[in-house]
Amino acid sequence: DTAVSQTPKYLVTQMGNDKSIKCEQNLGHDTMYWYKQDSKKFLKIMFSYNNKELIINETVPNRFSPKSPDKAHLNLHINSLELGDSAVYFCASSQDDKRLAGDSDTQYFGPGTRLTVL
Amino acid sequence: SQQGEEDPQALSIQEGENATMNCSYKTSINNLQWYRQNSGRGLVHLILIRSNEREKHSGRLRVTLDTSKKSSSLLITASRAADTASYFCATAGLTGGGNKLTFGTGTQLKVEL
Repeated sequence: DTAVSQTPKYLVTQMGNDKSIKCEQNLGHDTMYWYKQDSKKFLKIMFSYNNKELIINETVPNRFSPKSPDKAHLNLHINSLELGDSAVYFCASSQDDKRLAGDSDTQYFGPGTRLTVL
Repeated sequence: SQQGEEDPQALSIQEGENATMNCSYKTSINNLQWYRQNSGRGLVHLILIRSNEREKHSGRLRVTLDTSKKSSSLLITASRAADTASYFCATAGLTGGGNKLTFGTGTQLKVEL
């Protein structure tokens, strides 16, 4: 069973296009995340949703818009794609249970979506 | 801003040897975690150590945490070729929204037969 899945795995597109990446988790977690990993493997958080509510929004261009239709799904829509958007995008989820006193911070990652903008 | 710096950036060892990776961070933390990333794959959680813990073990993994020096180390004992991967430390901050993890720069480990 796939815990955190993303589609598509690869995405090649032209500059200026609009594209979406989808993420689903079947772990029953309350919190989901989007990360961007650049060519040097540096991983940076972009967004986080808890029960469909946006709770983390890092300094990301407003061309990037996350959408969470329910707590098991978090999609990422990117408008007017630029060359610099080329990266691997990872979705992750975690159980937001404060009773676990820090253990709830363990995150489960999807396989990634490699986006190439030409 | 980038939180963790890892050292070394790359490490090459022979199978059976131990591998040690270090991580330094800048601000107070709630916990520190280590993740592994195989080439072309997502990150896999290895171990979590809380700020009030000094050492933790999981199988062949041993993690230490020194909050006074703001540093952590990951030791993999009796390494195997399958341990070849990138290893990242990530810190969970005391403040800030949600369960925000800030990742380090990563150590690329290569275990040769």
